[in-house]
Amino acid sequence: GQSLEQPSEVTAVEGAIVQINCTYQTSGFYGLSWYQQHDGGAPTFLSYNGLDGLEETGRFSSFLSRSDSYGYLLLQELQMKDSASYFCAVTLYSTLTFGKGTMLLVSP
Amino acid sequence: NAGVTQTPKFRVLKTGQSMTLLCAQDMNHEYMYWYRQDPGMGLRLIHYSVGEGTTAKGEVPDGYNVSRLKKQNFLLGLESAAPSQTSVYFCASSYRAGGGNEQFFGPGTRLTVL
Repeated sequence: GQSLEQPSEVTAVEGAIVQINCTYQTSGFYGLSWYQQHDGGAPTFLSYNGLDGLEETGRFSSFLSRSDSYGYLLLQELQMKDSASYFCAVTLYSTLTFGKGTMLLVSP
Repeated sequence: NAGVTQTPKFRVLKTGQSMTLLCAQDMNHEYMYWYRQDPGMGLRLIHYSVGEGTTAKGEVPDGYNVSRLKKQNFLLGLESAAPSQTSVYFCASSYRAGGGNEQFFGPGTRLTVL
């Protein structure tokens, strides 16, 4: 089976940089995805790492190290609207297995 | 495009009642999924479908059934609802499998079983 661990909550201030870590145990997977969810609304896709290294999309970056079974999501220039839950997920062939999520609270 | 839609948005059931949740997508996606989300538990896969007429079990399938008679629709059924099935249910779809298969989610159905 698969298991993913991520912190339950992270707090930061506007304009800061925050890193949300994800460690996983899985046998065979395509890559690591990240999703954002505001206030119990529909989760939305943020990024995907199929290879080791850093992927950058605007203010968000995501990193994967398969040898360390570890990844992270980096959010820069934090804004109040970034307050949300963030989920890492291992991508299997047809399905995703999600972590329990990290609630990010951004304060002024 | 409406994307992924779910009906109903809210529902209250009594223990033992049955209901069907409907998911529809207009993106011509092959893959569709049903998840449940409970506080502190993240998203857990109930059942999924890799194409019209196919279904497969996910992580937490017990107490649920699904059908995919048309490519654009994926139905989730509860035959005899239990309080443990109180949850928020999300449907999702994706174009393909494999790496980077971004899933598009519906707005969710909030179900309470009394």
